[in-house]
Amino acid sequence: GAVVSQHPSWVICKSGTSVKIECRSLDFQATTMFWYRQFPKQSLMLMATSNEGSKATYEQGVEKDKFLINHASLTLSTLTVTSAHPEDSSFYICSAPDRVHSHEQYFGPGTRLTVT
Amino acid sequence: KQEVTQIPAALSVPEGENLVLNCSFTDSAIYNLQWFRQDPGKGLTSLLLIQSSQREQTSGRLNASLDKSSGRSTLYIAASQPGDSATYLCAPSRGGANNLFFGTGTRLTVIP
Repeated sequence: GAVVSQHPSWVICKSGTSVKIECRSLDFQATTMFWYRQFPKQSLMLMATSNEGSKATYEQGVEKDKFLINHASLTLSTLTVTSAHPEDSSFYICSAPDRVHSHEQYFGPGTRLTVT
Repeated sequence: KQEVTQIPAALSVPEGENLVLNCSFTDSAIYNLQWFRQDPGKGLTSLLLIQSSQREQTSGRLNASLDKSSGRSTLYIAASQPGDSATYLCAPSRGGANNLFFGTGTRLTVIP
């Protein structure tokens, strides 16, 4: 199946700094990508929909100025957590649908963010 | 908004047993539904994709069924193995390019 990668796989940063997470579709083009967040023992919650060449769509309660999303190409979306705080510590996962073939969603391996 | 419920929340079975995981969703207007497994601290691995027009889908020891009108899907695992231990998530989608909705999953432990 298709492959989606994320980088970094884990990151530790100090409170107040910014962290960028990359999501890449390796063998297919993704005009749309999704960013989810997962707290321990909880479900994946959709944060935003990343659209190539246009602004991201954010879910209710997600601050767009805090979680900056850029979808600069058909294979890359980035999520930047600005002025990170300990409560932003979570597991961030991206996904991309293979719209040409099966419409199956492929997920990246996730990024573990810890803010100290 | 789509709500997804998975029962049971946790399940522990001896190796070799057949088991069924249940998933229900509130909005039956779905495009497809995927089953995933998630190992601790890891991302999601897609297991099966069922289109809304399908009733079931099979892959190896896994069989997933879909009753769209009643908002239910089941995942059947035959001859369970310790390597099957993981959290299993079902996720319906409104459209082919739309996001998925997740419940909290079923945490499966297969005892050797």
